[in-house]
This record gives sequence, C-alpha cells and structure tokens, in this order.
Amino acid sequence: RKEVEQDPGPFNVPEGATVAFNCTYSNSASQSFFWYRQDCRKEPKLLMSVYSSGNEDGRFTAQLNRASQYISLLIRDSKLSDSATYLCVVNGHGSSNTGKLIFGQGTTLQVKP
Amino acid sequence: SQTIHQWPATLVQPVGSPLSLECTVEGTSNPNLYWYRQAAGRGLQLLFYSVGIGQISSEVPQNLSASRPQDRQFILSSKKLLLSDSGFYLCAWSVRPSGRSYNEQFFGPGTRLTVL
Repeated sequence: RKEVEQDPGPFNVPEGATVAFNCTYSNSASQSFFWYRQDCRKEPKLLMSVYSSGNEDGRFTAQLNRASQYISLLIRDSKLSDSATYLCVVNGHGSSNTGKLIFGQGTTLQVKP
Repeated sequence: SQTIHQWPATLVQPVGSPLSLECTVEGTSNPNLYWYRQAAGRGLQLLFYSVGIGQISSEVPQNLSASRPQDRQFILSSKKLLLSDSGFYLCAWSVRPSGRSYNEQFFGPGTRLTVL
C-alpha cells in the first residue's frame, strides 16, 4: 500500500462547479498534512496546511479525518485558473528533525469553460 | 523574504557525462534542504536531504550524490549520467522542525534534465 494515495483523475468540471478530492495515508502517527498545487512543468507550491479542526482559505476548504486517515480538499466556484495537479502531502516517518514529507502522486483537475 | 534559486533551468547532457546542479536559498538560516526528482507524469521522489552543513542523507540508491558545502547551498552531482536520470529536479527548503510538527517545504523552479 502506498503511504499516500490519491485518485489521479483527471477531474473534468465546468467553471463554477464544486469539486472535492480525497487522499488517504497509511501512517496513523502522521502529524502534519498539506495540500500543494503543481502547474504543468512547474514546481509544486503550497496551497494550504491542513489542521485537525479543518480550515478554509477563500474558495478552498481542507479537512482531516484522523480516524479514517484521509484528507480532503474542496474547491468551490471553480475557475479556469484552478486547472492544475493537486498534491496531498503527509509528514514522513522517523525523526521530525529531518522534516521529510511524503507527496502523493497528485490529482489532476481540468476546469472547462 | 526567503527565495530559492536553482540553475540551470534546462540541461541536455549525453549519457556518461558528469552533472552538477546547484541550489541556493536566501533569507533564512539553518534550513533543511532537499533534492527531489520527478519523472515525466510521475510523483516526487525524494533523493537526498540535509539537516546541516556536510550532513547528507540518501533516500534511494543511485549514481547521484549530494553535497552541502555552505549553510544555504545544496549541490546535486553525478560522475556519469544514465538515461534513467532524465527528469525534473527540484530543490526545496524548510524551516528546521521543532517538536513533533513538520514544516511545509518551499520549492525552487527546478531543472529539467534530458539525458540522450
């Protein structure tokens, strides 16, 4: 089983739609969770951290379910500019001193006009 | 503010040639540094990480090596490139973690390497 699993998609949605991505992780001891966005042929960029209580940033909402070991990202009112690959990220094993993160393969979103 | 630089942006090298990719970070001290590779259409693979000058940990066996000669400089090298070394090489930094929390990583613009 992969340490971080995501549905690769692609998710094809019309502008204005609401879309949700889920991600599961295998290590129940994981403490830190993030969503990154990666545009084609570009570096990944931090979209948001995921907190236990859930958090929202404009049209984006992230939630964490520790019992089921999954993380979700909800995008409301999709824009063409939201088209990208979304990476689910969880801290790695071992000492936190390393700061290692494990990146999922990503879920591709294509927003159509 | 912090910035991270990588060069070159693109590189085409013949099989068997050497490689040197450089990454520098500005605006922070004592960062953790990371080298990743992303093959076409694939996820990120962590190659090396460093928690301090001269301290390098390798994640996967390969013909690549890394060095950290200065606090904010991270170098990825190879003596002889293989076809399988082609990919998108990304350098990242993070604030050194304290406690049990892991900090987010910030990526440089990457180097796209093609080995022919």
